Amino acid sequence: EAQVTQNPRYLITVTGKKLTVTCSQNMNHEYMSWYRQDPGLGLRQIYYSMNVEVTDKGDVPEGYKVSRKEKRNFPLILESPSPNQTSLYFCASSLWSDGQPNYGYTFGSGTRLTVV
Amino acid sequence: RKEVEQDPGPFNVPEGATVAFNCTYSNSASQSFFWYRQDCRKEPKLLMSVYSSGNEDGRFTAQLNRASQYISLLIRDSKLSDSATYLCVVNSRDDKIIFGKGTRLHILP
Repeated sequence: EAQVTQNPRYLITVTGKKLTVTCSQNMNHEYMSWYRQDPGLGLRQIYYSMNVEVTDKGDVPEGYKVSRKEKRNFPLILESPSPNQTSLYFCASSLWSDGQPNYGYTFGSGTRLTVV
Repeated sequence: RKEVEQDPGPFNVPEGATVAFNCTYSNSASQSFFWYRQDCRKEPKLLMSVYSSGNEDGRFTAQLNRASQYISLLIRDSKLSDSATYLCVVNSRDDKIIFGKGTRLHILP
């Protein structure tokens, strides 16, 4: 089944304790992206990647890191989480053509992160 | 003007009614347009792409108006299961993908 798999689904952690949220897709998509969703603010892009070893900042990259060592994986790293990073996080992937992700996203099921 | 703008709603409509909502975008160079559906606390799911000529999928019709820079979604014969938040998505030439904040739809029995 074609899908984007995120783990964990739920995570409660303490301020400052490094964590990684994993994202993996099995569709051979070039484009992958991380979003956070907060009430009233909608989906905001954190980082995106157009291919292996190519990553770029989205609209809200502060406090986050990503890597794209393999095409299928795009982990999100919070080196020192803070309470303002409490949010619902989504990973998404898409085919890439004509200079953009043209075919719409497939989203992972989301990770609900609470930082206390 | 915001890059992508949607009426947040909620739209409360009786079952069986027809409902339509629009999404305006500011970048005239935008190339691709989509409608997504998101149920509460779940991931957005692609509902349909929006083509220049307009497209229809069952009870759903999407249209693009480039001159006025908006896309629309029409739902006919609405069902209770159509209750959700509908997000419009716009891809710009500069790799930017912008989500609207969504329009909440409640179908009333």
